[in-house]
Formats: sequence, structure tokens, C-alpha cells
Amino acid sequence: DAGVTQSPTHLIKTRGQQVTLRCSPKSGHDTVSWYQQALGQGPQFIFQYYEEEERQRGNFPDRFSGHQFPNYSSELNVNALLLGDSALYLCASNQQGDTDTQYFGPGTRLTVL
Amino acid sequence: GDSVTQMEGPVTLSEEAFLTINCTYTATGYPSLFWYVQYPGEGLQLLLKATKADDKGSNKGFEATYRKETTSFHLEKGSVQVSDSAVYFCALTGSSNTGKLIFGQGTTLQVKP
Repeated sequence: DAGVTQSPTHLIKTRGQQVTLRCSPKSGHDTVSWYQQALGQGPQFIFQYYEEEERQRGNFPDRFSGHQFPNYSSELNVNALLLGDSALYLCASNQQGDTDTQYFGPGTRLTVL
Repeated sequence: GDSVTQMEGPVTLSEEAFLTINCTYTATGYPSLFWYVQYPGEGLQLLLKATKADDKGSNKGFEATYRKETTSFHLEKGSVQVSDSAVYFCALTGSSNTGKLIFGQGTTLQVKP
């Protein structure tokens, strides 16, 4: 049983560019959440998707957007990249109604130059 | 709003020493509490959890008790090993009940042989 998978593992972009990160949830999970983890900090909640809709959003600008597909996989898009967007982006999944059991993927390390 | 405060690190211990990492929280309602561990270059792994007051979560020799009266969830282990070296995050589910996790800033543990 595959856990949460994310791609790519690492990514280097320049300021102003756009990036798309991908996440496949653990088998049987239908809810996906995205987190940003800056170096030396705890993860910060970006948003959560369920039934292909954004269910809740953290304190992130509109440059951060997402999508969930019918197979429950999800994408995180960031436009107009800033140096401060450099971070580890983590995806977590759970079954709707079982919010106490979330599994995290290995993350995508984004570097903005 | 809801928040988590962890003791600052790094914490450096000798092998077989006793470990305590302090965690206190502020929350409305009755959150679930978690400890996650992050090994170098990896994502987050759930270490243990407690979903109501006075519950004790335990795993791999680690323990933490949900103390509502002191709003604390301190992590303890009786005898640490070199392999326990990692960053430990205390977290809670936010009051929205959607499973949004709010993390502390993390505590780095280094265990020396």
C-alpha cells in the first residue's frame, strides 16, 4: 500500500516564475492538505481540498492556488514566485471524518533564485 | 487563535539519557494533540497522538499525556538512542474541526553515543 507521494522531489525556479507541485494521497484517502515548511520552522497550513473543492484556507496570498482531481490527487500552484517562497512543501492526506489520522508525504523542496 | 509553543532547542543528550520536550498549547474547544517527528531530509511521521483530556499517547518508547488543566502535552522517553536524533513537532487540530494542523516551531534533538 503506497503512502502519500509527491513530485517532484526538488525544484529550482527563478523569481516571477510559476510552479506546480503534485500529490497523490494514500490509498483510501479523499482529503488532501498542503503545508509550507520554511527552513527551521514548523509547517504552516496552506489549504485543504475535499470533493474537488477548497474546504479551508490558511493565511496565504492568492498566488497560492490548488486543485483536486476526481481520483483525489491534488496540485499546488504558486504564481509570481518570490524568494520567500523557498521552502519544503508538504502534502498530507486523510479520510474525511478521520482528521486525527493524517499521513504526510516526503515533500517537495522548492528553491527560488 | 489556536497556537502551540515548544521548548527551544537544540537539545543534546547522551545515549540512554531521559528526554523531555515541553509543549503547551492555546486552543478553543477540545483539540486533538500530536507529536510528529522529522528525520533529516524527510517528511513528517506521526509519532503519537491523544484525542481527549488525560489520554496518554505512546509509541516506540515515547509517551505524552494530554493535560487540559495545564494545557500541555510534553514528550518523554526514558532512554534515548542515537537513532532518535531528529526534529520533533508538537501539533494540534485547529478549532475548525477540518483537520487543519497547527504546529509548534520544532525542537531539534541530538543524541550522542
